[in-house]
Amino acid sequence: NAGVTQTPKFRILKIGQSMTLQCTQDMNHNYMYWYRQDPGMGLKLIYYSVGAGITDKGEVPNGYNVSRSTTEDFPLRLELAAPSQTSVYFCASSYKGAQETQYFGPGTRLLVL
Amino acid sequence: AQSVTQPDIHITVSEGASLELRCNYSYGATPYLFWYVQSPGQGLQLLLKYFSGDTLVQGIKGFEAEFKRSQSSFNLRKPSVHWSDAAEYFCAVGEPGGGADGLTFGKGTHLIIQP
Repeated sequence: NAGVTQTPKFRILKIGQSMTLQCTQDMNHNYMYWYRQDPGMGLKLIYYSVGAGITDKGEVPNGYNVSRSTTEDFPLRLELAAPSQTSVYFCASSYKGAQETQYFGPGTRLLVL
Repeated sequence: AQSVTQPDIHITVSEGASLELRCNYSYGATPYLFWYVQSPGQGLQLLLKYFSGDTLVQGIKGFEAEFKRSQSSFNLRKPSVHWSDAAEYFCAVGEPGGGADGLTFGKGTHLIIQP
């Protein structure tokens, strides 16, 4: 079991560029989440999904988009990257909702210059 | 809106000494409560969680936490820390009723272990 995998590990983007952060889980979890972590701050929820074809906004969705075409994959799209999106991005999954343990990927460190 | 406060940004403890990390939450009802640990450059790993029942919960790596409803607190403890416990610790809450909209995290406490 690989658990939750994320690619890439690290990326530098120029302002205005776009990219997709990949997230895959092999635990057959229905629920998946994207968080961002800024220095000295806790994690903030960007988007989440309760199953294939269903996504919803979290606390800080602006500048991001997601899709969930399969149970396993939950990519996060950044359009028109901005310096404010410099952060570490974590994907997580759980079997059910907030009462269940969330399993986190290793993170993607993104630098926007 | 729910919120989580971890009042200590940094804590330094000598190896072998006891540890207590504080966490207070603000919510209308008792939320689901979690402690996660993040080692440098890693993702988060669950230490323990509380939903209901016994207010003292045991977790992995020798950690425990006590839920105190009257104080809206969920403090994490360990009787004797090891150098490998140096990490960032996050308290988090989830919406009662099993809501799907993720967890609310505190800002974290950075634990430093002195030899």
